[in-house]
Amino acid sequence: GAGVSQSPSNKVTEKGKDVELRCDPISGHTALYWYRQSLGQGLEFLIYFQGNSAPDKSGLPSDRFSAERTGGSVSTLTIQRTQQEDSAVYLCASSPTGVGEKLFFGSGTQLSVL
Amino acid sequence: GDSVTQMEGPVTLSEEAFLTINCTYTATGYPSLFWYVQYPGEGLQLLLKATKADDKGSNKGFEATYRKETTSFHLEKGSVQVSDSAVYFCALRGPDDYKLSFGAGTTVTVRA
Repeated sequence: GAGVSQSPSNKVTEKGKDVELRCDPISGHTALYWYRQSLGQGLEFLIYFQGNSAPDKSGLPSDRFSAERTGGSVSTLTIQRTQQEDSAVYLCASSPTGVGEKLFFGSGTQLSVL
Repeated sequence: GDSVTQMEGPVTLSEEAFLTINCTYTATGYPSLFWYVQYPGEGLQLLLKATKADDKGSNKGFEATYRKETTSFHLEKGSVQVSDSAVYFCALRGPDDYKLSFGAGTTVTVRA
C-alpha cells in the first residue's frame, strides 16, 4: 500500500492478557516510530527504530512493553499482562531516513483493556 | 527536556471566522517546529513546518511564524471552512534529535 498500515484498527482485551499490534511502514522507509495517544493527552513517544535496531527505547513505560522490527520493515509492539491504563490509541509512523523529515502516520490501533 | 504547550480546546467557530491556536515551546538550542493535523478518521499529517527563527510555514491557508523571542509557533487561518474541522497538534524536534515531541492537541470544529 501507499501509506503506513496498522492492524488491528481496534482491539478489545481483558486485563492481564497479552496483545500484539502491527505496523507496516511505507516501503523503503528506514525510520519507524511508535507513539501512544491517551484521551486528552498528547502523543507520547514510545520507541524509535532505524532499520532493525532500536537506538531509543526510552519512552516504553514499563518492561511489559516491547517492540521489534524485522527485515527493516514490519514492526510489532507487544504489551504483556495488559492493564486498564494501557488503553489508548497506538500510532505508528515512518520516515525515509529519520533525519529532519516529516513523519507519515498510520491511522492507529485503538486498544481497550477491560 | 523539550516540550510543547498548546491551547486547550475544544474550539468551535463559524465558517469564515479567524482561527488562532497558541503554541509555546521549551527546548535547548534551535528546534524545528511543526503543526500536524488529524482529520476525522485519518492519520496525522504534516500541515506546515519552520526550521529556524523568523521562518514562516504556510499551507492550505494556514500560517505559523517561528518566534524565538517568545518561544512560540502560533497557528493562524484567516477564514476557516467546515473542512478545517480537525485536531491540530503542535510539535518540535530538537536539533540533534530524531523524534518529535507533541502537544496535547486542539480540537477545532467549524460550523456552517
